[in-house]
Amino acid sequence: QSALTQPASVSGSPGQSITISCTGTTNDVGGYNYVAWYQKHPDKAPKLILYGVSNRPAGVSIRFSGSKSGNTASLTISGLQADDEADYYCASYTSASTLVFGGGTKLTVL
Amino acid sequence: QVHLQESGPGLVKPSGTLSLTCAVSGASISGTNWWSWVRQSPGKGLEWIGEIYHSGITNYNPSLKSRVAMSVDKSRNQFSLNLTSVTAADTAVYFCARAKGWPQRDFDYWGQGALVTVSS
Repeated sequence: QSALTQPASVSGSPGQSITISCTGTTNDVGGYNYVAWYQKHPDKAPKLILYGVSNRPAGVSIRFSGSKSGNTASLTISGLQADDEADYYCASYTSASTLVFGGGTKLTVL
Repeated sequence: QVHLQESGPGLVKPSGTLSLTCAVSGASISGTNWWSWVRQSPGKGLEWIGEIYHSGITNYNPSLKSRVAMSVDKSRNQFSLNLTSVTAADTAVYFCARAKGWPQRDFDYWGQGALVTVSS
């Protein structure tokens, strides 16, 4: 299975909004509403920030939102804060009943 | 609060077997959750290795399937990973995680990660 495609890096200034894309195929992202997003700070475990494309776990800021169109899912972070600087990974269920992650996107807060 | 803790050798020789255990506290491994292993090689992204249910049912990443075996020890509330014939490419931080749903596998709890280096 091939990793989902994410941009290697994105950046934004505090207070701005950014969007990270996650592109797959009809066998994963496009075929199911089972896309999750994780935030990972260096030397820390990943943290679930969105599941089921657009659902936020309890305690996750409303500044994080998700959507999907066709084979591409997107994570939008509004009102950027310094602590948002991290790596972000999407993940999707696949038609082979496995899980595939995206390659990860490094977010830099300028 | 659910807590996961990985343990095992931090150094494995090439062609050897990598073995890790994940101890779970605050939740029963015999519940309705599936339990996964995920790794991150240096400078690279996350890779799902596979998962196990308390009944012993497993699903593995096709790219690793021939070398992976997972098991569960309900009496100790823990699950384990064995990866055989390791090479330097298997050097990574290995995380165990709990999936809050299936088949979507949204991982709501993670261990802190265990660095395993493959080197002679």
